[in-house]
Amino acid sequence: NAGVTQTPKFRILKIGQSMTLQCTQDMNHNYMYWYRQDPGMGLKLIYYSVGAGITDKGEVPNGYNVSRSTTEDFPLRLELAAPSQTSVYFCASSAGVGYEQYFGPGTRLTVT
Amino acid sequence: DAKTTQPPSMDCAEGRAANLPCNHSTISGNEYVYWYRQIHSQGPQYIIHGLKNNETNEMASLIITEDRKSSTLILPHATLRDTAVYYCIVRVATNAGKSTFGDGTTLTVKP
Repeated sequence: NAGVTQTPKFRILKIGQSMTLQCTQDMNHNYMYWYRQDPGMGLKLIYYSVGAGITDKGEVPNGYNVSRSTTEDFPLRLELAAPSQTSVYFCASSAGVGYEQYFGPGTRLTVT
Repeated sequence: DAKTTQPPSMDCAEGRAANLPCNHSTISGNEYVYWYRQIHSQGPQYIIHGLKNNETNEMASLIITEDRKSSTLILPHATLRDTAVYYCIVRVATNAGKSTFGDGTTLTVKP
C-alpha cells in the first residue's frame, strides 16, 4: 500500500493564481483531512470529509474549497492565491473519527 | 476542545527514557489524549492515545493522571531517530472537525 500520496511536492504560485492540491489514499478510509502548517507552528485543520460526497469546514477554511467524489481522492482547491497561503499542506486519512490519522508527505506551497 | 500546554523544547540522552509532559487542565470527560510526532517536516506520525487508563504500545507509554488534567508520553529508550516535534492533542473521539495540533515539544536526543 502506498498509504496517502500528495502531489505536487512543491509549487510556486503568483498572487491571484489558482491551483488544486491532490490527495489520494489506498486504505479505503472514510475520513480524510486537509491541514496547513506555517513555519514553526502546529497543524491547523482546513477541511475534512467523513465520506464520499460529505465535506465540512475545519478551523481555517477561508480561501479554500474541497470536494470528495470518491473514497480515494480528496483534492484541495486554492482560488485567488494570496501570500498568507504560503505554507506546507498535509493530507491525512483515518478509518474512523477516533482512529489514528495517516499523513501524506506534504506539499510545500509558496505564493509570491 | 481542551487546550494543551507543552514545553517548547526538551533534551534527552540517547538510551535514556524521554518523558514528555502535557497539561490539559480543562479536559472534558469524553475527550481523549492523542500523541503524534513529526520528524523533519514529514507528515505527522501517530504514537498513542488514551482516555483515562495508562496505555502502552511498541513505540511508547502514555501515563494519564487520575484527575486527567495532565499526561506524560514516555519513550523508554530514546534513540537519535526519536528527535522530532511531539504533539499532544485533546479532542472528542466523535468529532472529526476538532483536530488541530498545537505547537508541540521539540525533543532532541543527544549522543
